[in-house]
Amino acid sequence: AQSVTQPDARVTVSEGASLQLRCKYSYSGTPYLFWYVQYPRQGLQLLLKYYSGDPVVQGVNGFEAEFIKSNSSFHLRKASVHWSDSAVYFCAVSARTNTGKLTFGDGTVLTVKP
Amino acid sequence: NAGVIQTPRHKVTGKGQEATLWCEPISGHSAVFWYRQTIVQGLEFLTYFRNQAPIDDSGMPKERFSAQMPNQSHSTLKIQSTQPQDSAVYLCASSLGGGENTLYFGAGTRLSVL
Repeated sequence: AQSVTQPDARVTVSEGASLQLRCKYSYSGTPYLFWYVQYPRQGLQLLLKYYSGDPVVQGVNGFEAEFIKSNSSFHLRKASVHWSDSAVYFCAVSARTNTGKLTFGDGTVLTVKP
Repeated sequence: NAGVIQTPRHKVTGKGQEATLWCEPISGHSAVFWYRQTIVQGLEFLTYFRNQAPIDDSGMPKERFSAQMPNQSHSTLKIQSTQPQDSAVYLCASSLGGGENTLYFGAGTRLSVL
């Protein structure tokens, strides 16, 4: 069974600063990896995903993530955050099967200070 | 494309009453998932269907919870004899299936059991 750990429950950064949200997964093999964002009173929206190939994947709104297999990590990064990036960010893992069932981390609440 | 549609957005029930939550997946998607989101437990997988057939209900509570997908355009999650601990946001998601594991989420139904 797979699992995801997001070690930082809350992160606060100033607008314009760089950002890294950490994600580590547990899975015997190479999984599919995802980052989702949830704004207040909304569902989850896909930011980016990794299936194979280039370990650095680009997503929407300037987000990117790097898959490091040796470290079982898939950290999310952004060079310069905006106040509108304040939200909850979830990392998720899926087995490489036809199942499509995602296992989510507990989420990181990001607050961007103006 | 209207995305995944969930109704109602908010539902308030009294303890012991029944609650039925509705989900309309994205047209053409073959897989439908139900998740439950609470502050304490985070995002919990409940069940999923592929081509309307129930595939995995390992996350469903053994009693009072049931899910159906009578046709490709909607799924329901029914909770009988609701209890205060059932209060949560119930999220429905759909995916293309066939190895494309990206989930597209609805805005959720917030269930409050008084």
